[in-house]
Amino acid sequence: EPEVTQTPSHQVTQMGQEVILRCVPISNHLYFYWYRQILGQKVEFLVSFYNNEISEKSEIFDDQFSVERPDGSNFTLKIRSTKLEDSAMYFCASRREDREWYGYTFGSGTRLTVV
Amino acid sequence: GESVGLHLPTLSVQEGDNSIINCAYSNSASDYFIWYKQESGKGPQFIIDIRSNMDKRQGQRVTVLLNKTVKHLSLQIAATQPGDSAVYFCAEIMNSGYSTLTFGKGTMLLVSP
Repeated sequence: EPEVTQTPSHQVTQMGQEVILRCVPISNHLYFYWYRQILGQKVEFLVSFYNNEISEKSEIFDDQFSVERPDGSNFTLKIRSTKLEDSAMYFCASRREDREWYGYTFGSGTRLTVV
Repeated sequence: GESVGLHLPTLSVQEGDNSIINCAYSNSASDYFIWYKQESGKGPQFIIDIRSNMDKRQGQRVTVLLNKTVKHLSLQIAATQPGDSAVYFCAEIMNSGYSTLTFGKGTMLLVSP
């Protein structure tokens, strides 16, 4: 079964440093998402991406965050200057346009630890 | 703001029992609900979904019930197995345009052999 692949599985970074989280969505999917989950809390929406641009973003997704699809396969989330409160699991997801809402496939996540 | 929430943070059952996980939602405009299972170190995994025009939907060993009157969603797992141990989230679609998911906090299901 096709999978969404995320790398690295765990990233430790110092406060103020830039990090890039990487995702390879399923190849025929058209919608891409980033969600995050702070330890012990619910999964929260960050941003959706379609047709090479951001289609929707949450209040969490401020100017320090950016997303990019640099080629036909990768989808990245960049945090420009990390803060302690950015420590969380970050999940990438993708879906096919013709499967509506239940077409979501999530990756296994990247655990980001900011020290 | 409006949100999806769960009543029970942890549910412990014996293998073979039926499990019921509950979820309360507050956005009456939500028209689609999904249950996800999350195992340790993995991303959310789709279990079952239901549209707001339905009251009940059955899958393999799982049933989702939707009570719009009290804005309540439940997941029933029949003959619970140790492999069902995980965190279960309900989620709702609040923006059908790009299908953004709003998740509840999660319930940990622990199944003892």
